[in-house]
Amino acid sequence: DIQMTQAPSSLPASLGDRVTITCRASQDIGNYLRWFQQKPGKSPRRMIYGATNLAAGVPSRFSGSRSGSDYSLTISSLESEDMADYYCLQSKESPLTFGAGTKLELK
Amino acid sequence: QVKLLQSGAALVKPGDSVKMSCKASGYTFTDYIIHWVKQSHGKSLEWIGYINPYSGGTNYNEKFKSKATLTVDKSSSTAYMEFSRLTSEDSAIYYCARYPFDYWGQGVMVTVSS
Repeated sequence: DIQMTQAPSSLPASLGDRVTITCRASQDIGNYLRWFQQKPGKSPRRMIYGATNLAAGVPSRFSGSRSGSDYSLTISSLESEDMADYYCLQSKESPLTFGAGTKLELK
Repeated sequence: QVKLLQSGAALVKPGDSVKMSCKASGYTFTDYIIHWVKQSHGKSLEWIGYINPYSGGTNYNEKFKSKATLTVDKSSSTAYMEFSRLTSEDSAIYYCARYPFDYWGQGVMVTVSS
């Protein structure tokens, strides 16, 4: 199975900060990488697909990038509504696998 | 608008089975694969498998192959997942999601307790 190593597990940050979350794939997954945001008691929401493409309705302060087997989700200027858990998902190969998640919280 | 409406919470006894539903609306049901995802309390997400509503074809995570059975009823645009031989480890929230994971159901909380 492809392992998705996500870091950090917890990220304290202040409003207005630039924050980055990373997932490293244990095998080549090309651009078959999505990022999801999940708020307490809610279903996951797709933020990024194809590693770098912003999903419909997602604010432009969110972006996705790739460097080799490292995939990053960046929020350019943190807003209060961005406090949530974030997960990456690879869909290159079955079984699909998620990262362990990052809890983004106010410092 | 696209919606995936899942069935309500379930309280089941160890060893029992549970069947949950995911009713699609706002799009052509047979055009999109339905995935199922497990989220244990306070933990990450696990992919269970998917079903192609058009063909009925399925693909399971080996971890859940003997546990989960995915089916669809095209006439009612509903996908189903049955989880069998339940243990406390199966207590979780279960989501259905349309590929490409752009729409998700609200989740079904399953509690396994005697």
